[in-house]
Amino acid sequence: NAGVTQTPKFRILKIGQSMTLQCTQDMNHNYMYWYRQDPGMGLKLIYYSVGAGITDKGEVPNGYNVSRSTTEDFPLRLELAAPSQTSVYFCASSYTDTSYNEQFFGPGTRLTVL
Amino acid sequence: QKEVEQNSGPLSVPEGAIASLNCTYSDRGSQSFFWYRQYSGKSPELIMSIYSNGDKEDGRFTAQLNKASQYVSLLIRDSQPSDSATYLCAVNVFTGGGNKLTFGTGTQLKVEL
Repeated sequence: NAGVTQTPKFRILKIGQSMTLQCTQDMNHNYMYWYRQDPGMGLKLIYYSVGAGITDKGEVPNGYNVSRSTTEDFPLRLELAAPSQTSVYFCASSYTDTSYNEQFFGPGTRLTVL
Repeated sequence: QKEVEQNSGPLSVPEGAIASLNCTYSDRGSQSFFWYRQYSGKSPELIMSIYSNGDKEDGRFTAQLNKASQYVSLLIRDSQPSDSATYLCAVNVFTGGGNKLTFGTGTQLKVEL
């Protein structure tokens, strides 16, 4: 099992550009999450999905969009990139969304917007 | 008040000593608690989960939970330089949208030779 994989590892965007961060998991987890982590800050939830076709906003969704067409994939779309979106983005998945929701993280995408 | 609070550190301990990392949380209804280890430039790695009051041991790691005091801790025995990392405390919080993890900002641990 590869677990959770993310591409690209690094990306530099210009202000106003758009991009899609890819996330794939091979653990057959229904639940998937996107977080961002800024220096010295905790992880902030951007969007999450409880299964194919079902997504919902997290704590900091503005400027982002998601889709979930398959169990395995959960891409995150940035439209009109802004410097405030410079961050490290982590995708995670879990088997359940009960209180026992152990989440497993991908390696992350480091994004810089200039 | 932050939902999950951790001392940012750095916490410095000598090799072979016990490292004690602490976390407090504000939601009394939280039922599940997790410790993640994050090396610099890497992703968080789940190392411990604890769901009931008391101690849970796994190798050199012991998680301790006290729901009455809203306090969870992680002890690392026989600390090694390879334990140097940031340790994130995560607490499950039930919201209208379901169960979500809220993360603390992490405690940086440095194990010195």
